[in-house]
Amino acid sequence: DQQVKQNSPSLSVQEGRISILNCDYTNSMFDYFLWYKKYPAEGPTFLISISSIKDKNEDGRFTVFLNKSAKHLSLHIVPSQPGDSAVYFCAASARGGATNKLIFGTGTLLAVQP
Amino acid sequence: DGGITQSPKYLFRKEGQNVTLSCEQNLNHDAMYWYRQDPGQGLRLIYYSQIVNDFQKGDIAEGYSVSREKKESFPLTVTSAQKNPTAFYLCASSIGGLLGEQFFGPGTRLTVL
Repeated sequence: DQQVKQNSPSLSVQEGRISILNCDYTNSMFDYFLWYKKYPAEGPTFLISISSIKDKNEDGRFTVFLNKSAKHLSLHIVPSQPGDSAVYFCAASARGGATNKLIFGTGTLLAVQP
Repeated sequence: DGGITQSPKYLFRKEGQNVTLSCEQNLNHDAMYWYRQDPGQGLRLIYYSQIVNDFQKGDIAEGYSVSREKKESFPLTVTSAQKNPTAFYLCASSIGGLLGEQFFGPGTRLTVL
């Protein structure tokens, strides 16, 4: 049972345009969400996070939006750059639980075309 | 330079052999984690440890074992009981408790021949 879903395996955008990566979750206990970026044969690197008490968090070119009623979050990258080409993983946790276990989505491969 | 190191980067083993993957961190993090990644799938949790000398099974612990004798180290043994061990293995650490994101090492690609 996939509790965190990234339904788009891949996305291609032009340099300078906006990239929008989507993520849906099913567990209403999730209260903390993160995005990680991963290059091939490397470990993921943390990008941005959002707590369920917020609906938006911004860091430079990256903005994460959270819609709790729809159990949906999205990552916006503006403007997109070729160096942003990577796999992006959405992750969620229920911090009210006993551990910091993260549940990951299957990832979306972003290709930014020059 | 603080971080997480995993060795080796690539590992080959013959079917039926046990193999141990190394993970070391100098971030002074209490919690450490092992994940595996397969093509087209997300990261799946194998084992995690919140504190020294304690660890818990994750979602796919069968065929794996771990130890946490030191805060800095969390080695993972892939045993011959693991039916499909070929994968990319990732170690992570976090400050612990309910706070903080997880930081990942560079990963080890294990191939069973």
